[in-house]
Amino acid sequence: SQQGEEDPQALSIQEGENATMNCSYKTSINNLQWYRQNSGRGLVHLILIRSNEREKHSGRLRVTLDTSKKSSSLLITASRAADTASYFCATESRRDDMRFGAGTRLTVKP
Amino acid sequence: NAGVTQTPKFQVLKTGQSMTLQCAQDMNHEYMSWYRQDPGMGLRLIHYSVGAGITDQGEVPNGYNVSRSTTEDFPLRLLSAAPSQTSVYFCASSFRNSPLHFGNGTRLTVT
Repeated sequence: SQQGEEDPQALSIQEGENATMNCSYKTSINNLQWYRQNSGRGLVHLILIRSNEREKHSGRLRVTLDTSKKSSSLLITASRAADTASYFCATESRRDDMRFGAGTRLTVKP
Repeated sequence: NAGVTQTPKFQVLKTGQSMTLQCAQDMNHEYMSWYRQDPGMGLRLIHYSVGAGITDQGEVPNGYNVSRSTTEDFPLRLLSAAPSQTSVYFCASSFRNSPLHFGNGTRLTVT
């Protein structure tokens, strides 16, 4: 079964608003990563947060990690139409395998 | 620097045929993996490798074989194609505990 579960499955917002996506996972992890995918193309890495970190920022992206709740969130601030894509969380476990959730489909309306 | 190269980009097979999807990386990454992505779904891990000569099964390994004879190459073999294997296949590589680099995918149709 997939390790991560994203919530919501789909999100539609207006340009300029913030978008928050959540990810829950099941087993102990080395790190958690967020990826973006545009229309069936290869995934592009956004941000990596290690199991001993609680928060990380990269430009308009903010990621939090709560290992006690086995959950993470991705916040995109001041969204743009170009942010429209699917966003996936992925967890690297102690076994070194990387597993992905089903993704959140984000639509940003101009 | 080519990154992760997957070939072919598209393939149509008949049920029962076999084929090999190729994946090569030029970044000296020890970790390589294969995923399949079905419509509206995330990526499911098929097989992965943490170094030459070492492979392990992921979530959906049945019907697929892999080998890792070199650091650079990680081919995925479909032994006897079935319609359920119609999917987009992605190869990825990385250093351990680091971001994955993805290929552009192989779109496979089994009729």
